[in-house]
Amino acid sequence: GDSVTQMEGPVTLSEEAFLTINCTYTATGYPSLFWYVQYPGEGLQLLLKATKADDKGSNKGFEATYRKETTSFHLEKGSVQVSDSAVYFCALKGDNTDKLIFGTGTRLQVFP
Amino acid sequence: NAGVMQNPRHLVRRRGQEARLRCSPMKGHSHVYWYRQLPEEGLKFMVYLQKENIIDESGMPKERFSAEFPKEGPSILRIQQVVRGDSAAYFCASSPPGSSSYEQYFGPGTRLTVT
Repeated sequence: GDSVTQMEGPVTLSEEAFLTINCTYTATGYPSLFWYVQYPGEGLQLLLKATKADDKGSNKGFEATYRKETTSFHLEKGSVQVSDSAVYFCALKGDNTDKLIFGTGTRLQVFP
Repeated sequence: NAGVMQNPRHLVRRRGQEARLRCSPMKGHSHVYWYRQLPEEGLKFMVYLQKENIIDESGMPKERFSAEFPKEGPSILRIQQVVRGDSAAYFCASSPPGSSSYEQYFGPGTRLTVT
């Protein structure tokens, strides 16, 4: 079945460092791909999305490109801030389903 | 426009009791999804409902768990005879009808603790 694999955390960075969180997926057809962010004690917020190959989703300085050839959707940010500390989830939605399939999440800790 | 609302935010139940979790979708949204997040894990899909219909319950445990989304009122996730392994955060998401249903908006979650 469909699945999402994320790099394990925690990822620990200093403020203004470059961030990459890897995400790869397995799916039949043409899934839509998402990154969600979860701040402590809160629900998930949609960070960005891409619905077809080569699409780039971007929001708040974060970017991810839908790469069908490598089945990847890596999250990047050029300069992280302390306020970016959170858990980041990669997710997919398959062609013929309405449910989201999530990775296990990657905790990001940014220190001043 | 209020977001997805869930209550209670925190719920403590003793083993064997019943837990009822409520979810009010965003205004204009008619699709509701329930997910469970076990400690230190990602979210797992449980059930997808539209008004008065269960569309996909492939992630629901076969026993003790049920969900409904009546014509009027919130969606309810009901867990009977809770056990310690039911302790988790339960998130509800909603989406509007039509082609944009791939974007789901999440509530703040209900954190269930079974003692």
